[in-house]
Amino acid sequence: EIVLTQSPATLSLSPGERATLSCRASQSVSSYLAWYQQKPGQAPRLLIYDASKRTPGLAARFSGRGSGTDFTLTISSLEPEDFAVYFCQQRSSWPPLTFGGGTRVEIK
Amino acid sequence: QVQLVESGGGVVQPGRSLRLSCAASGFTFSNYAMHWVRQAPGKGLEWVAAISYNGSEKYYADFVRGRFTFSRDNSKNTLYLQMNSLRPEDTAKYYCAKQLGLHFDWLNYFDFWGLGTLVTVSS
Repeated sequence: EIVLTQSPATLSLSPGERATLSCRASQSVSSYLAWYQQKPGQAPRLLIYDASKRTPGLAARFSGRGSGTDFTLTISSLEPEDFAVYFCQQRSSWPPLTFGGGTRVEIK
Repeated sequence: QVQLVESGGGVVQPGRSLRLSCAASGFTFSNYAMHWVRQAPGKGLEWVAAISYNGSEKYYADFVRGRFTFSRDNSKNTLYLQMNSLRPEDTAKYYCAKQLGLHFDWLNYFDFWGLGTLVTVSS
């Protein structure tokens, strides 16, 4: 099973700041990694897939990069609606499909 | 617009059974692989099971294999998750999720999710 480790667990930032979230895989997942955003009481929302492909309508401030074992989700300038929990997910080797433990982006 | 609506959750004693349903609309349901993903209260996401577009292939997480059965009825645009021998650690919100790609091994990410149904296993 591929284990995904997200860091940091919590990121405390102010609106307008840049957020950089990390996801590290226990073995190579090539570029088969996605990022999701989840707000309290809501279902997750797919943001990025295949490491860097953006879903339709996704704000340009969100970008993903990486391959192999190291991946990054960047939010270039945080908007109030971006404060949420972010999860990564790999599909390279399954079953099982696996998720990271999440990074909470909170208002500083 | 795509809609996924789960139902069937509730409070159940350990060892008992529960059947979850997920009604889908707004897309060609019979074309897509579908999944269940769960989230324990205050915890992260955990993939549970997957089913191919026609129900011929199914995959399960180790922690539910042999206890849970995933099925679908394409004539009713509905998924089912039969959950037997429930354990306290199965307590979670269960989401059904649509796969981004049509078939297994192609874009098995989740582009639409339901709101989830809460399963609580407690004596």
